Amino acid sequence: AQKVTQAQTEISVVEKEDVTLDCVYETRDTTYYLFWYKQPPSGELVFLIRRNSFDEQNEISGRYSWNFQKSTSSFNFTITASQVVDSAVYFCALSEGRRGGSNYKLTFGKGTLLTVNP
Amino acid sequence: AAGVIQSPRHLIKEKRETATLKCYPIPRHDTVYWYQQGPGQDPQFLISFYEKMQSDKGSIPDRFSAQQFSDYHSELNMSSLELGDSALYFCASSPAGTPEQYFGPGTRLTVT
Repeated sequence: AQKVTQAQTEISVVEKEDVTLDCVYETRDTTYYLFWYKQPPSGELVFLIRRNSFDEQNEISGRYSWNFQKSTSSFNFTITASQVVDSAVYFCALSEGRRGGSNYKLTFGKGTLLTVNP
Repeated sequence: AAGVIQSPRHLIKEKRETATLKCYPIPRHDTVYWYQQGPGQDPQFLISFYEKMQSDKGSIPDRFSAQQFSDYHSELNMSSLELGDSALYFCASSPAGTPEQYFGPGTRLTVT
């Protein structure tokens, strides 16, 4: 069975600090997909990134960057120069690949509540 | 761009009542997923449909049922509501064969 662990329940930083959110996953599949979602206080789930298991290339998007390491089953998310608007719950999620079908149900971690203080 | 539509956005019901949540996927998306997110919890997969057939089932109570219609919209029917059913219910849609899921804004159900 697949499992996602976000060990950090809550993180509090001061604006402009860098912050890294940790995510460790477990799966028996060789093909899988990793995601990060942001859930602001308004409640919607905002897609941030998807990473395929066969693509370990790290990615940077503005102040966001992601570090995918299959050797340690980790997919960490770093926000550089954090801002108050980054305050939200961040979820890491895993989907196992399915050949020929269309079922990619997501297993979410428990989430990390990030508070960025001015 | 069109997004996933969920209705209603908010719903208040009493214990033992029934509720129906609706989801309208993005056009040309034939796969629908339902998730339940309790207060302070992570979203939990309930059920999914592909081409109007149930494709997978998660931790969905027997009191709940769902289906996908010919126009690909989906409905989640919940009966004998309990206080513990109070949650945010998300619907997500995706094109066939892709892991991308596009989430709707959610329906917040409150059972009193």
